[in-house]
Amino acid sequence: DGGITQSPKYLFRKEGQNVTLSCEQNLNHDAMYWYRQDPGQGLRLIYYSQIVNDFQKGDIAEGYSVSREKKESFPLTVTSAQKNPTAFYLCASSILTAGGAKNIQYFGAGTRLSVL
Amino acid sequence: QKEVEQDPGPLSVPEGAIVSLNCTYSNSAFQYFMWYRQYSRKGPELLMYTYSSGNKEDGRFTAQVDKSSKYISLFIRDSQPSDSATYLCAMSAAGGSYIPTFGRGTSLIVHP
Repeated sequence: DGGITQSPKYLFRKEGQNVTLSCEQNLNHDAMYWYRQDPGQGLRLIYYSQIVNDFQKGDIAEGYSVSREKKESFPLTVTSAQKNPTAFYLCASSILTAGGAKNIQYFGAGTRLSVL
Repeated sequence: QKEVEQDPGPLSVPEGAIVSLNCTYSNSAFQYFMWYRQYSRKGPELLMYTYSSGNKEDGRFTAQVDKSSKYISLFIRDSQPSDSATYLCAMSAAGGSYIPTFGRGTSLIVHP
């Protein structure tokens, strides 16, 4: 059953703590993405990666870090530098095509992060 | 002006109504147009996508693109309470950043 798996579903962070959100895909997609979704704000891009061992900052990368050691996996760490981490985090993946116009993203079920 | 504009709603309709959800955009380079459905506390699910102008139908859903007006629509026929969700449009262009641009989503409520 192909898809994108995000874990955990719910996560709580204490003050000053780093937490890591997991994202795994078995779709053999090249690119992976992390978005943050706040009520009324739509999707905001945190980081994205086209290939293994390479990633780029999105619009709101401050306070977050990622790694892409395997094609299937793209974990996101919310660091203590992120002062307002409470949000719904979505991981997505897509196949990249020559020219880049066709970029159909598929999403995981999301992780809801709250601050204790 | 945002690249993609989408009325947040909520849009409330009775069961069985035809629903029209819309997005406008400013970037004439957009070529692929996607519609996602997102239930509360879930990830967005791809409903359908179209390339360039024209219509595409899938069951009760029809996606329409009017590139001359920079306007896309998603029609839902015979709407059901289970269609109650937030609908996001997204679009992507060739060249430059390949990241799709998303609308903020329209909240749809279909009441029995």
